[in-house]
This record gives sequence, C-alpha cells and structure tokens, in this order.
Amino acid sequence: DAKTTQPNSMESNEEEPVHLPCNHSTISGTDYIHWYRQLPSQGPEYVIHGLTSNVNNRMASLAIAEDRKSSTLILHRATLRDAAVYYCILRNPTTSGTYKYIFGTGTRLKVLA
Amino acid sequence: EPEVTQTPSHQVTQMGQEVILRCVPISNHLYFYWYRQILGQKVEFLVSFYNNEISEKSEIFDDQFSVERPDGSNFTLKIRSTKLEDSAMYFCASSEMDSLSRYFGPGTRLTVL
Repeated sequence: DAKTTQPNSMESNEEEPVHLPCNHSTISGTDYIHWYRQLPSQGPEYVIHGLTSNVNNRMASLAIAEDRKSSTLILHRATLRDAAVYYCILRNPTTSGTYKYIFGTGTRLKVLA
Repeated sequence: EPEVTQTPSHQVTQMGQEVILRCVPISNHLYFYWYRQILGQKVEFLVSFYNNEISEKSEIFDDQFSVERPDGSNFTLKIRSTKLEDSAMYFCASSEMDSLSRYFGPGTRLTVL
C-alpha cells in the first residue's frame, strides 16, 4: 500500500493561511489523494480530494504536485475551529475491487488566537 | 445536512460480555463501514459492507466481530466476547459508492472493564 508522510504537528495564527504538506512518493496512477480531519472527540470528516489537478471547495484547496509525489492542503484563513488532526490518505483500490482508506498519524494543527 | 448517527455514545461493559454498537447511515448511501481508534492511536479500518454482505475486512475483524443490517436503516457491529483491548472509539461510516468520500459518525466509546 502506498504510504503518506506528514509532519506530526503544525501551528498557525488565526486568520492566516495554513499549508499542510503531505508526501506520497510511492503513489500509483490510480490513487486519489483524500484529506480528512478529525476535530477533538469527533469522527473523521471529509475535507477534499483530487487526482491530478488542483481542487477547491468551500473548506479548503488542494494543490497537487505535477509528479503527484506530494500534495498540500491549504486552509485560506485558519480559525480556532480548524484545530484538528489532518489526515492525508491515498485511496487505494484493492484486488477485489474495493477501496481502502489507510489513516496515518496525521498532522495535529494548532491554531493560535 | 444528512449525517451518520451512532448509539450509544458511550458503552461500558465487563470483559467477556457481548456488545452491539448501532449506527444509522445516511439514507441514500449503499456502502457501510466500521473503524476503530484506540486512545491516542490511528484510525483503523475494520470492515466494509455492501449489498448485505461483507466486502472487505481487516485482520482485526476476527470471529468475535460481526456486522448486520437488520432493517433498512440500522447497521450494527457486534462484539461477541469483549476483551480489554477492545476498548476504543468505534466509528461507523457510509458512502454512496465505495470509491467516494466516506461520512463518519461521531463514534461510540467502548470501555471494557
């Protein structure tokens, strides 16, 4: 299974942009890059996903490197409510046709007021 | 916005007892999942379920675990004879298709004494 590498923790000031990096050098051509976050005492929450092109939604933007070996989740203006663990996950198809989501340790984002 | 719900929020049980954790997935979703997270550790995949049968399971999902969709709305995880190491947060998730984003519930905290 392709693995992802993320920094253990990051800090940001409120109202400032945050760039959360993820390395996935062994990504295969069919792996989608998904980002989830887990707020304290809650279940994981979908944030965004992409394959090759950069993606934007109401929560965040996803910038994917041209070689797809890394990606960056961008929160344009961090708020205190964005403090969470952010997971970069490669959606791997299995041989049986199902899709695995393998959670790593993620990046714990701390937002400072 | 539709959401996945789980009951109970916290379950305390004695070692060796059976527990049933309940989930109500989002109504038009067809794929259902259980994950667990031991305190301070990663979110781990347990099982996926589609069309009334298990489509994928992890090595954690051994014979003491079972899943069922007893009616059109509920999805349950049964642990037949709980062990101390089963203490964890258990998250239910659902998706429209296996390849699409998964929506997680708030979790059930299981404490085995």
